Amino acid sequence: KNEVEQSPQNLTAQEGEFITINCSYSVGISALHWLQQHPGGGIVSLFMLSSGKKKHGRLIATINIQEKHSSLHITASHPRDSAVYICAVSTMDSNYQLIWGAGTKLIIKP
Amino acid sequence: DSGVTQTPKHLITATGQRVTLRCSPRSGDLSVYWYQQSLDQGLQFLIQYYNGEERAKGNILERFSAQQFPDLHSELNLSSLELGDSALYFCASSVDPGGYGYTFGSGTRLTVV
Repeated sequence: KNEVEQSPQNLTAQEGEFITINCSYSVGISALHWLQQHPGGGIVSLFMLSSGKKKHGRLIATINIQEKHSSLHITASHPRDSAVYICAVSTMDSNYQLIWGAGTKLIIKP
Repeated sequence: DSGVTQTPKHLITATGQRVTLRCSPRSGDLSVYWYQQSLDQGLQFLIQYYNGEERAKGNILERFSAQQFPDLHSELNLSSLELGDSALYFCASSVDPGGYGYTFGSGTRLTVV
């Protein structure tokens, strides 16, 4: 079993829909990261969370440390949000590496 | 611009050759990480340096080596290249070894033909 699990693996939605991507992890963490990778490969760090909730524009990330679960929400989705969204955790045991989820491929259709 | 600079952006080379990928971390960041992303695969951690010293090693092949220089830039050397080494190579930096506030470079796309 992977230490970081994301769901769904693939998600296709219509423009304007509310999007939720989930991430569950099984290790003790120091921080959880949400990353976005666009076609062509560039990676952008969206959020780094250790507790609670963060919001940036139409993006919202939440984390529940007790349940070892995080969600990334996109409100009023737009075709430009189409990308792979990756959840990764920094672990308490080895703070030098990120453990990666497999990513969620999101396609927003106009 | 994330502040992490990777060069070159694209590289095409033949099997058996050796290449060097370069990464300049964001100003003030002491830690540099190298990752490999092969086609349809997730990011694989290769190696981390902190303030010039190797800090952690991941799935890095013996044909690959890296170093971090006194000015904190890092180089990833790939030798005896094979077709399977074709991938995106990302560099990331953070201010401390704990991994807070990773910043990623835009990557180097290596194609081995």
